[in-house]
Amino acid sequence: GENVEQHPSTLSVQEGDSAVIKCTYSDSASNYFPWYKQELGKGPQLIIDIRSNVGEKKDQRIAVTLNKTAKHFSLHITETQPEDSAVYFCAASLVWGSNTGKLIFGQGTTLQVKP
Amino acid sequence: KAGVTQTPRYLIKTRGQQVTLSCSPISGHRSVSWYQQTPGQGLQFLFEYFSETQRNKGNFPGRFSGRQFSNSRSEMNVSTLELGDSALYLCASSLDRGAQETQYFGPGTRLLVL
Repeated sequence: GENVEQHPSTLSVQEGDSAVIKCTYSDSASNYFPWYKQELGKGPQLIIDIRSNVGEKKDQRIAVTLNKTAKHFSLHITETQPEDSAVYFCAASLVWGSNTGKLIFGQGTTLQVKP
Repeated sequence: KAGVTQTPRYLIKTRGQQVTLSCSPISGHRSVSWYQQTPGQGLQFLFEYFSETQRNKGNFPGRFSGRQFSNSRSEMNVSTLELGDSALYLCASSLDRGAQETQYFGPGTRLLVL
């Protein structure tokens, strides 16, 4: 069945360092890949997303890369700050026509940025 | 613009009871999806509604059901609660116009089943 694997499960970095989280998906038809950040007591918040017709997307300190051949996508956070500490989830979805599809989530990565 | 709102935020029930959770999507959003989040299973898709019709369904037993009203607000119901139903239930809404598939999540309803 559909599956998204996410690594690592925990990641600890020093403030100012970069953080990389990787995901692989099983359904080759997936065409939409969002990343969410979840802070304690809150719902997931979209931080960046990428569609299958794009290989890379950047938004300030955050970037996402997609390799459709390898069915692999990654989140890159540069110049990390303590407020980046949270749980990060990757997800994959098949979006077609007016069907938004269902999001299949990875298991999450707990990122700790040490001051 | 107000975000996705969910009520109640916290709920305690006992086994065998039933519960109804409510979700109000972002104004103008027509699609509502529900997810269950637990430490062991992570975030799992329950179902998606669009124009009062269930469009997608996850792998959950029939005790889990939902509906959507004409104003796009949605409710989900869990009957005959089990201890394993304790979880954070998240609602997400999307604009649902072609490529506007971005889903925005609410804060969730934390359900504890005793």
